[in-house]
Amino acid sequence: KAGVTQTPRYLIKTRGQQVTLSCSPISGHRSVSWYQQTPGQGLQFLFEYFSETQRNKGNFPGRFSGRQFSNSRSEMNVSTLELGDSALYLCASSLQGFDYEQYFGPGTRLTVT
Amino acid sequence: AQSVTQPDIHITVSEGASLELRCNYSYGATPYLFWYVQSPGQGLQLLLKYFSGDTLVQGIKGIEAEFKRSQSSFNLRKPSVHWSDAAEYFCALRTTSGTYKYIFGTGTRLKVLA
Repeated sequence: KAGVTQTPRYLIKTRGQQVTLSCSPISGHRSVSWYQQTPGQGLQFLFEYFSETQRNKGNFPGRFSGRQFSNSRSEMNVSTLELGDSALYLCASSLQGFDYEQYFGPGTRLTVT
Repeated sequence: AQSVTQPDIHITVSEGASLELRCNYSYGATPYLFWYVQSPGQGLQLLLKYFSGDTLVQGIKGIEAEFKRSQSSFNLRKPSVHWSDAAEYFCALRTTSGTYKYIFGTGTRLKVLA
């Protein structure tokens, strides 16, 4: 079974721009979660989507948003990029949500200049 | 406040030696607890999880962890370390009431000496 895929793997953007990251979960998984990983803050939970609905949300500003499509693929959007948004963004999928094992993708490395 | 603390940022052990990685948490109830491993350039892989029941949990790669409610700890142990175990290890908590959240520790980077 194919694992979680994230595209693109690397991205360089300028302050003030916006960016969209994509995550394709494992086939059959309905829950997709997003995390931000930085050296200073570690791994922080952004949000979780289940059946196209945001079910859980972390403490991030409204510039961070996401959505999930009917095929469970998910996108995360960050608007008005700041230097501090430079991070590894990880996506994880699971069968039904947090009660089940999460499978992580390799991440998208975003650099904001 | 809910938090996960991994007191050791770096640990170095010799190949074949035993390993213990510490994890302490702060949460008002019994959480779900996890250990993940991350190799360079990779995502996270689940090593083991604790939801309830037996407090000694067996995971993959010969790893185990023990949940101690009185100490709010969930330490990971491995009896004999292999060079391929070098990676970063994360302890995580999932809240069990209200809006579910995942909280990760800051990680422990393991170096293995040949």
